[in-house]
Amino acid sequence: QKEVEQDPGPLSVPEGAIVSLNCTYSNSAFQYFMWYRQYSRKGPELLMYTYSSGNKEDGRFTAQVDKSSKYISLFIRDSQPSDSATYLCAMKGQGAQKLVFGQGTRLTINP
Amino acid sequence: NAGVTQTPKFRVLKTGQSMTLLCAQDMNHEYMYWYRQDPGMGLRLIHYSVGEGTTAKGEVPDGYNVSRLKKQNFLLGLESAAPSQTSVYFCASSRWDREDQPQHFGDGTRLSIL
Repeated sequence: QKEVEQDPGPLSVPEGAIVSLNCTYSNSAFQYFMWYRQYSRKGPELLMYTYSSGNKEDGRFTAQVDKSSKYISLFIRDSQPSDSATYLCAMKGQGAQKLVFGQGTRLTINP
Repeated sequence: NAGVTQTPKFRVLKTGQSMTLLCAQDMNHEYMYWYRQDPGMGLRLIHYSVGEGTTAKGEVPDGYNVSRLKKQNFLLGLESAAPSQTSVYFCASSRWDREDQPQHFGDGTRLSIL
């Protein structure tokens, strides 16, 4: 079983929809949770970062972490065609030098 | 500000050939990483380095070697390429001094082994 599981999709929704992307994990030592966005033929770039449990909001994006369930989510409100990309969750424990990535979810927002 | 630069961007090799992928960063980062990305597999760590002159194995190190002779450069070598090494390779770098520092990625090297 992988340490981090993410539904690879693909996920296709109409413009303006609310999108929910999720990851589950098995390592209870993980404390730092990140979402990366990767456009086609580009490298991933950090979108959201959350420490431990709770919510974090940045514009149309909200990241949630539920450590009791070992479940993290990324919500995109009022989705735009420019949000079409692959979204990767990543996480690590305190002092860890390495991130563990999910498989990535390919998202398409249709105009 | 170039960030992380990977060379080359594309390459086709024959089975058994060797090659070196170059990663250069201009952000004075201590940590550098090499990943491969395959469909449905996400990013898998090959090797990483926590400073000049150091290297360590990641999740999928077999068939690859690395060197970090200068702080700004991290080289990934394939001594005898195999078709299973066909992939997109990403280099990343990050600071060491804070837990919340993101990894900065290059735009990848697309490698095909025939």
